[in-house]
Formats: sequence, C-alpha cells, structure tokens
Amino acid sequence: EAQVTQNPRYLITVTGKKLTVTCSQNMNHEYMSWYRQDPGLGLRQIYYSMNVEVTDKGDVPEGYKVSRKEKRNFPLILESPSPNQTSLYFCASTRGGLTEAFFGQGTRLTVV
Amino acid sequence: AQKITQTQPGMFVQEKEAVTLDCTYDTSDPSYGLFWYKQPSSGEMIFLIYQGSYDQQNATEGRYSLNFQKARKSANLVISASQLGDSAMYFCAMREGLAGTALIFGKGTTLSVSS
Repeated sequence: EAQVTQNPRYLITVTGKKLTVTCSQNMNHEYMSWYRQDPGLGLRQIYYSMNVEVTDKGDVPEGYKVSRKEKRNFPLILESPSPNQTSLYFCASTRGGLTEAFFGQGTRLTVV
Repeated sequence: AQKITQTQPGMFVQEKEAVTLDCTYDTSDPSYGLFWYKQPSSGEMIFLIYQGSYDQQNATEGRYSLNFQKARKSANLVISASQLGDSAMYFCAMREGLAGTALIFGKGTTLSVSS
C-alpha cells in the first residue's frame, strides 16, 4: 500500500530537549515536504526536498532542520524546541509536477 | 496578498443536500494545479480532487466535483448528496509552476452535516 509514515503520532516534550520526527514514504517520490498546521492559519511549509541531499527552506523554517540522506526518509529535527513550535506537523511526498501530495498521519507536538 | 482564499469558516448542510465550498486563488503562473483535501476530526489529510490549469473540463471524482472558473480564478468544491461522514475541515490548495515544490493552502472551511 502506498503510504507516508510519520512517527510519533503524539509527542509531549519540554523546552530545549532535542527531538526528531521521522517520515518515510514507499512510493519512490522525489519530492518531500514538512508542513505545520495551526488553527486559523491552514498549513504552512517548513522545509522541502527535491531529491537526496537537496533541501531548501519553506515559509516557516526557523527552529527546524531537515536531512535527506535516503530517498525514502525525510526527518524533521527540532534542536531546541520552544512552546511556539507546539503544532500539528505533516510530512508529505509527491512525484513532482502538478500531482497530488500524499500526507502522513500527522504528528501532534506539544512543547511545555 | 493571500494566494488561496476560503471565505467560509463554517458551513452547515443537511444530509442528502448538495453543498459548495468556495475557493479563490491568485497566481500569475500559467501552469498551476488546484487541489482539495479533507481533514476529518482524526486529523489525517485526504486528497479529494485535482484540477490543472490547462484542463478544459471540470474535474469529478464520485460525489465530488470542482467548479473551475479560470477567468474568475475560482475553484469551488461541490459535494453532491452530503453524508454525515462528510463532516470535516476542507482545504483548498494550489501548486504553482511545473517545478513547484510547495502546496499553498487556504485556511480551510469546516463543514457540518446534520441528519
């Protein structure tokens, strides 16, 4: 089954404690992205990757890092989380061009 | 200026009725794609329907159709014969250009279907 898998689904952490949210896709897609969803703001892109070792900033990259060492994986790293990063996070992949994006199940992160 | 505008924060409809969710967009790129996603209360994002800027006909997928009016830059989602399971948040999104990397989302419309 074609899917994007994120882990964990839920995470509560404390300010400053480094964390990683994993994302993996099994569709051999070149393009992967991270979005955050906040009430009243819709989804906003954090980072994207067009291929292995090729990443770039989206609209709200501050406080986040990503890496793309393998085509299937695109982890999101919060080196020093802060309460304003409390949000619902989505990983998405697409084969590119004007095709639909496939989303992971979402990760609900709370930073206290 | 917002690139995707959804002006209806909430919509209410009865079962079996049709409902239209509004979406207007703004782009100067001649190549773009318009997407609708459904987000139920469980949180996942479900792709519903796609319309390309060069598509001559309106897209349809089962009970979903996209009313694409290019000159007016609108891409409204029409759900025919609403069901209780249609209650969810609906997002309109756009990707610009053939090499576009980002989906630009509207703020969403919450649809509530009652029996």
